[in-house]
Amino acid sequence: DAKTTQPNSMESNEEEPVHLPCNHSTISGTDYIHWYRQLPSQGPEYVIHGLTSNVNNRMASLAIAEDRKSSTLILHRATLRDAAVYYCILRDKFYGGSQGNLIFGKGTKLSVKP
Amino acid sequence: EPEVTQTPSHQVTQMGQEVILRCVPISNHLYFYWYRQILGQKVEFLVSFYNNEISEKSEIFDDQFSVERPDGSNFTLKIRSTKLEDSAMYFCATQRGASYNEQFFGPGTRLTVL
Repeated sequence: DAKTTQPNSMESNEEEPVHLPCNHSTISGTDYIHWYRQLPSQGPEYVIHGLTSNVNNRMASLAIAEDRKSSTLILHRATLRDAAVYYCILRDKFYGGSQGNLIFGKGTKLSVKP
Repeated sequence: EPEVTQTPSHQVTQMGQEVILRCVPISNHLYFYWYRQILGQKVEFLVSFYNNEISEKSEIFDDQFSVERPDGSNFTLKIRSTKLEDSAMYFCATQRGASYNEQFFGPGTRLTVL
């Protein structure tokens, strides 16, 4: 799986939007971009994924650059519960498959201030 | 909402002892995974399991480790002779099918080897 680069940590204020960046300059055409998060003392939790187009779900939005070499996870209004480590993971659509394992990096630790 | 469950939540064992960690996957899921996370470190893939066979395993998953789904429901990870460095959180994850992208993680079992 291709490598991703994320900032080690970010801070946000409660109820403000948060933009979490991820660089993946060596992404291949068949790599999906996945985001997971891990709340303190819990297992990872799926957030969102996309291939080329921007995606929205109830948790977040995913903005994907036109050249797909970077993406941004957007939390529209951060809450204290959003304090977690956020992982940007590339997952090949074919090899390893969409059923293959996830390769976690160190992620971005998001702190949310009241 | 269906969820992955794991037992026990915490297991303390002596070095050299065998441990079995148990996972109850979401009922209609077909792909099963074990990951581990040593305190303060990244989440690491151990093994994936599909159709009663190991699909993929990492270098960590050596001869001391084994997995099985003995009764068609529980998914177990066995460590035959535990070492101090096996102390970690062990997470089970499941995925519904190849065309579904989301992996669902359990709450983890904290294994402490003394």
